[in-house]
Amino acid sequence: DIQMTQSPSSLSASVGDRVTITCRASQSISSYLNWYQQKPGKAPKLLIYAASSLQSGVPSRFSGSGSGTDFTLTISSLQPEDFATYYCQQSYSTPCSFGQGTKLEIK
Amino acid sequence: QVTLKESGPVLVKPTETLTLTCTVSGFSLSNARMGVSWIRQPPGKALEWLAHIFSNDEKSYSTSLKSRLTISKDTSKSQVVLTMTNMDPVDTATYYCARITMIVVAPYTVLHYFDYWGQGTLVTVSS
Repeated sequence: DIQMTQSPSSLSASVGDRVTITCRASQSISSYLNWYQQKPGKAPKLLIYAASSLQSGVPSRFSGSGSGTDFTLTISSLQPEDFATYYCQQSYSTPCSFGQGTKLEIK
Repeated sequence: QVTLKESGPVLVKPTETLTLTCTVSGFSLSNARMGVSWIRQPPGKALEWLAHIFSNDEKSYSTSLKSRLTISKDTSKSQVVLTMTNMDPVDTATYYCARITMIVVAPYTVLHYFDYWGQGTLVTVSS
């Protein structure tokens, strides 16, 4: 099974900051990488699919990059509504797997 | 409008079998480019994928839980059912169903993602 590791596990930042979250796969997954945002008590929401494609309706301040084993999610200018937990997920092979999450908190 | 809704017991006893139903609307379970997954999340912990089923009845399960899980669908009722046997307190979690959408990005290259999720249902395992 493919293991997904995110870093950092938690992150404090301020409104307006540029933030980058990293996700590493235990083997190459090409671009089969998705990112989700989850707020407390809510279901996850798809942000990015295929490593860099922005899901419809998601603000353009979110972007994704990477291929192979290393991926990043970048938020160009943090907004108050962006404070949440972020998960990466690989769909290269079954069983699919999620990272352990990165909690983004207000500084 | 695509919606998914989970239903099932909120409390089960250890060793019992859990049966959860996901009722979908706004898309068909016979759509060749879609499927449904079950994903769970213990309180304060990360997401864990459990199983999926596609329109052609292809199924797949978590490696660690495979012996305890069964997924099935009733296309006419727009429902996907997950059963998990021999429940334990460590299985206490919010259980989500999510729609899988598959896209073709290159010849013989299909990737998928979870684009719609249910609200989740919290299942507690306790005697």
